[in-house]
Amino acid sequence: GESVGLHLPTLSVQEGDNSIINCAYSNSASDYFIWYKQESGKGPQFIIDIRSNMDKRQGQRVTVLLNKTVKHLSLQIAATQPGDSAVYFCAEKSQAGTALIFGKGTTLSVSS
Amino acid sequence: EAQVTQNPRYLITVTGKKLTVTCSQNMNHEYMSWYRQDPGLGLRQIYYSMNVEVTDKGDVPEGYKVSRKEKRNFPLILESPSPNQTSLYFCASSRGTGGVQVVEKLFFGSGTQLSVL
Repeated sequence: GESVGLHLPTLSVQEGDNSIINCAYSNSASDYFIWYKQESGKGPQFIIDIRSNMDKRQGQRVTVLLNKTVKHLSLQIAATQPGDSAVYFCAEKSQAGTALIFGKGTTLSVSS
Repeated sequence: EAQVTQNPRYLITVTGKKLTVTCSQNMNHEYMSWYRQDPGLGLRQIYYSMNVEVTDKGDVPEGYKVSRKEKRNFPLILESPSPNQTSLYFCASSRGTGGVQVVEKLFFGSGTQLSVL
């Protein structure tokens, strides 16, 4: 079945470091992936997305890498700031295209 | 400002007392959906709607109803709430293009924390 998982539930980094959050997915036919950030008391906020015809996509301070061979997705945050502290979710579009299937989330803690 | 608005933010109720959580989006999106978020289980889809008068079940639809009479509104109805429906609920919308690209970038509301006693 479809499932999306994250390698680590928590990640602690120092301010200024680069952060890498990993995600594994199970459906090799998935064609769309997305990362969300959820701060305490708020709804998930879009960070960046990527289609399966790409290996890498860059945004402002963020990069998403897609490795279809091993069904792995990662989010890289450059120069991590305290404001980046949040729970990060990866998600893939379901086979039917009617839902996003979310991983369990990684809590990123940034200390200054 | 483009947004998805849910109400209320917090709700405490008792078992069996019908309730409705409202959701409205101002982006003219075709697709809308409800998710619940539980510790250790992540976000799971309850119901979705691809357009007005078109709704369908997600992964965890038991105990819930929805309606889509207007494009902008997608209320979630709990006819007879039970304690296992205590959860954080999110409404979301997406532009939707039909076919296999119905759902991509979802915009989420701020959430409704429901407690059923």
